[in-house]
Amino acid sequence: DGGITQSPKYLFRKEGQNVTLSCEQNLNHDAMYWYRQDPGQGLRLIYYSQIVNDFQKGDIAEGYSVSREKKESFPLTVTSAQKNPTAFYLCASSIDGGLSYNEQFFGPGTRLTVL
Amino acid sequence: KQEVTQIPAALSVPEGENLVLNCSFTDSAIYNLQWFRQDPGKGLTSLLLIQSSQREQTSGRLNASLDKSSGRSTLYIAASQPGDSATYLCAVRAAGGTSYGKLTFGQGTILTVHP
Repeated sequence: DGGITQSPKYLFRKEGQNVTLSCEQNLNHDAMYWYRQDPGQGLRLIYYSQIVNDFQKGDIAEGYSVSREKKESFPLTVTSAQKNPTAFYLCASSIDGGLSYNEQFFGPGTRLTVL
Repeated sequence: KQEVTQIPAALSVPEGENLVLNCSFTDSAIYNLQWFRQDPGKGLTSLLLIQSSQREQTSGRLNASLDKSSGRSTLYIAASQPGDSATYLCAVRAAGGTSYGKLTFGQGTILTVHP
């Protein structure tokens, strides 16, 4: 059963803590993406990776970090430097980030709340 | 900088009505436009993807059109049903430069179809 999984579904963070959100895909896609969604706003790109061991900052990368050691996995760490991390986080993938006709497929999301 | 706007922000209609959701974008240098559906607390489901060279795409009761030169797209839903209630998002993919391949999202239209 192919798809994108994100875990956990809900995550609570205390002030000053780093937390890591998991994203795994078994679609054999090269490109993976992390977005943040706030109420009443569209999705905003945090980081993206077009290939293993390579990633680029999106529009709102400050306070976040990523790694891409495996094709299937693209974890996102929300660091204590992110001042307003409460949001819904969505991971996506596409066959190849450089191809114009690519559709992006999304995971179910992780809701992060700062206590 | 690409900006995507969706009108209306919210729409409530009785079951059976045909309806139109609007999406406009400021930079016509796009590769494609994608319409998504999002149910509350869930990830995004891709509905239709229109390449920049295409004028429209159809899937079941859904029809999406694209006028790249004027920076507009519409999503037409025929014979609406309560199960169509969701948030509908449009996103455009950048054509080149430093934004190559990047998706820019609108804020979404919240659709409610009541029986």
